[in-house]
Amino acid sequence: DIQMTQSPPSLSASVGDRVTITCRASQSISKYLNWYKQKPGKAPNLLIYAASNLQTGVPSRFSGSGSETYFTLTISSLQPEDFATYYCQQSYSTHPYTFGQGTKLEIK
Amino acid sequence: EVQLVESGGVVVQPGGSLRLSCAASGFTFDDYTMHWVRQAPGKGLEWISLITWDGGSTAYADSVKGRFTISRDNSKNVLFLQMNSLRTEDTAFYYCAREYGGDYVVFAYWGQGTLVTVSS
Repeated sequence: DIQMTQSPPSLSASVGDRVTITCRASQSISKYLNWYKQKPGKAPNLLIYAASNLQTGVPSRFSGSGSETYFTLTISSLQPEDFATYYCQQSYSTHPYTFGQGTKLEIK
Repeated sequence: EVQLVESGGVVVQPGGSLRLSCAASGFTFDDYTMHWVRQAPGKGLEWISLITWDGGSTAYADSVKGRFTISRDNSKNVLFLQMNSLRTEDTAFYYCAREYGGDYVVFAYWGQGTLVTVSS
């Protein structure tokens, strides 16, 4: 199975900050990498697919980049609604489609 | 508007069985592969199963293989997950998810989840 490792596990930041979350794959996954956001008590929702493609309706302050084994999710200017947990997920290797362990973004 | 509504989550004893349902609306159900993803309370996300549009192909995570069965009824737009030989570690929120479409696998739409608690 392909292992996905996110860092940091948690992050404290302030409104207006620029933050970056990283996701590393245990082997090359090309650009088969997706990012999700999850608020407490809610289902995840898709932010970015295929490493850098913004899902419809997602604000442009979110961006994704990377390929092979290293990927980043950047929020250019944090807004109050961005405080949540973020997950990466690989879809290169079928069965299982593995997720990172999550990065909890908290208000400083 | 795409809607996925899970149901069937309850408290069940270890070794017991349960069937979850996911009612789909707002799209042509039999055009899409569907998935189940679970999340233990306070933990991360775990993909557990998929079924192709016609039910012709299924796949499972090792953690549930041989115990869980995914199926679908395209005439009623419903996805199912039959869960047998339940263990305490199966306690989780269970989400159904729809792919975006095409060859790229991404969980574009999610239901609100249903909680399964396995406890004596």
